[in-house]
Amino acid sequence: QVQLVQSGAEVKKPGASVKVSCKASGYTFSNYGIIWVRQAAGQGLEWMGWVNPKSGNTGYAQKFQGRVTMTRNTSIRTAYMELSSLRFEDTAVYYCARVDHASGGITDYWGQGTLVTVSS
Amino acid sequence: DVQMTQSPSSLSASVGDRVTITCRASQSISSYLNWYQQKPGKAPNLLIYSASNLQSGVPSRFSGSGSGTGFTLSISSLQPEDFATYYCQETYSVSWTFGQGTKVEI
Repeated sequence: QVQLVQSGAEVKKPGASVKVSCKASGYTFSNYGIIWVRQAAGQGLEWMGWVNPKSGNTGYAQKFQGRVTMTRNTSIRTAYMELSSLRFEDTAVYYCARVDHASGGITDYWGQGTLVTVSS
Repeated sequence: DVQMTQSPSSLSASVGDRVTITCRASQSISSYLNWYQQKPGKAPNLLIYSASNLQSGVPSRFSGSGSGTGFTLSISSLQPEDFATYYCQETYSVSWTFGQGTKVEI
């Protein structure tokens, strides 16, 4: 069965970086994109960007340009999202999800979420 | 960027009610619109893709319609497990913006 398993919770200081991983199983990793979405406590969903596991191409929301880097390692079927220059307002649950771009954006499987806390 | 506006932001309903949620895009997005359900502490769950297509495994009481700038998600007969927050998301632009969410409460 399709699964996306994310790395564990992180606590970081302001100005630091965090790297969250998303390990895929149960499907051909290179055939689907991976998107990253975050959600602050009690708030809505915020789309951060995507990575194409086959090509490594990425696309980021304007808000995160220059601070986010999305990568993948196809040999271990894992996608990564690194966010730098962390601020208090980056405290949120970060989700990865599988997306079929060819279908117009079917996003059908999600990771369990990773809580990133930015605290001094 | 495309802006997505949902209404209402919250609603109260009873089991068996028909519920309709609206999502409006700031520009035409054709039918590139997903609907998700999210329960507290859980990841979103895809209900509808491409505006009107029911995702596999989703009960048929959920339906979606619309194209261009106006879209609706309908639940024909609300069930206890449907009390949750619902989000629309456009997948037309380079940044796939979500609506702000609609909380469906008892």
